[in-house]
Amino acid sequence: GEDVEQSLFLSVREGDSSVINCTYTDSSSTYLYWYKQEPGAGLQLLTYIFSNMDMKQDQRLTVLLNKKDKHLSLRIADTQTGDSAIYFCAETPTGKLIFGQGTTLQVKP
Amino acid sequence: DAGVTQSPTHLIKTRGQQVTLRCSPKSGHDTVSWYQQALGQGPQFIFQYYEEEERQRGNFPDRFSGHQFPNYSSELNVNALLLGDSALYLCASRPRGLDTEAFFGQGTRLTVV
Repeated sequence: GEDVEQSLFLSVREGDSSVINCTYTDSSSTYLYWYKQEPGAGLQLLTYIFSNMDMKQDQRLTVLLNKKDKHLSLRIADTQTGDSAIYFCAETPTGKLIFGQGTTLQVKP
Repeated sequence: DAGVTQSPTHLIKTRGQQVTLRCSPKSGHDTVSWYQQALGQGPQFIFQYYEEEERQRGNFPDRFSGHQFPNYSSELNVNALLLGDSALYLCASRPRGLDTEAFFGQGTRLTVV
């Protein structure tokens, strides 16, 4: 089946690292994605990882993929107030995006 | 490059009415998908178009229909609106076969009263 689960809320202090977790069910996804949504806005593609990779780093963002456990995480280093948003992970087993319900990241100054 | 553009940005309709939402894909993109995002939820896939045909469809009733034009732009039509159709409707475009480049528009906020 197709299902993506995320925790709903994460609160961190400015300057700390944030880790947002996601589990998915369909192991046939070629890519897994992280999107960011700010209030009243569309979705911004943050990063993605190919399914045969374990890790991908892109500036402050690190994506870890555990295929065995079907677990995906997004680490944001040195979290800033501008990182406050809703973060969605998504799988794409058949060309369509299947999203989790989103994790609200609150960054306190 | 204007990216993915959607119109209108906001819309208020009455139950039972019909609505048409529009999307222009990013330059170079020929595949357009539509998603419905209810308040507090993740986006749900409605359908996908390329070569002017519906290629995939999510779990949405026939009241939801679409169209793609030769210039790759697309419309989403919803008939017999229900209160539960109130949501943010998002359009995403990508080059066909390139899963990594799915870009989203800002969305159309539809309110059904």
